[in-house]
Amino acid sequence: GNSVTQMEGPVTLSEEAFLTINCTYTATGYPSLFWYVQYPGEGLQLLLKATKADDKGSNKGFEATYRKETTSFHLEKGSVQVSDSAVYFCALSDPYSSASKIIFGSGTRLSIRP
Amino acid sequence: SAVISQKPSRDICQRGTSLTIQCQVDSQVTMMFWYRQQPGQSLTLIATANQGSEATYESGFVIDKFPISRPNLTFSTLTVSNMSPEDSSIYLCSVAQTGANVLTFGAGSRLTVL
Repeated sequence: GNSVTQMEGPVTLSEEAFLTINCTYTATGYPSLFWYVQYPGEGLQLLLKATKADDKGSNKGFEATYRKETTSFHLEKGSVQVSDSAVYFCALSDPYSSASKIIFGSGTRLSIRP
Repeated sequence: SAVISQKPSRDICQRGTSLTIQCQVDSQVTMMFWYRQQPGQSLTLIATANQGSEATYESGFVIDKFPISRPNLTFSTLTVSNMSPEDSSIYLCSVAQTGANVLTFGAGSRLTVL
């Protein structure tokens, strides 16, 4: 069945460091891929998404490229800020199913030191 | 996107009691979902709350343990019945954005069972 595996945390970086959070997936067909972020005390919110191979999703300086050949959707940011401290979830969905079939990874907690 | 209010935000409960979590959305939505996030785990879909009919439960979740109400298109409740320490989790309400496999989440209800 479909599944998502993401880098275990916590990840601690200094401000302005380069960030990569790895995410790989197993799926039949061509899923849509997402990164959600959960800031302290808030609900999950969509950070970016990609719906087909080689698409690049981007938002708030974060990027992720849908790599079908490596079944990956790694999250990157060139220079992190303290305000990026949050939990990041990789997720996938079958585009032909309803939103109830979104599958989430286990989440990666990111902490940024000033 | 929709704004979701959940309450309580957190609670500490005794074993054997029940707790009802409320979810209020600022717009009418067709599909509402209830997720559980156990400590260090990914999000797991409990059920889809359907307006005017019974909720649809995922494998491993039953109505007697997690009764759900959906009286209208903006409100739903999830009850965690006869609680045990294993029910200690964050419970999240979410809705699907119209026409897209993208979810919006409430801030969650953190439940601790002693």
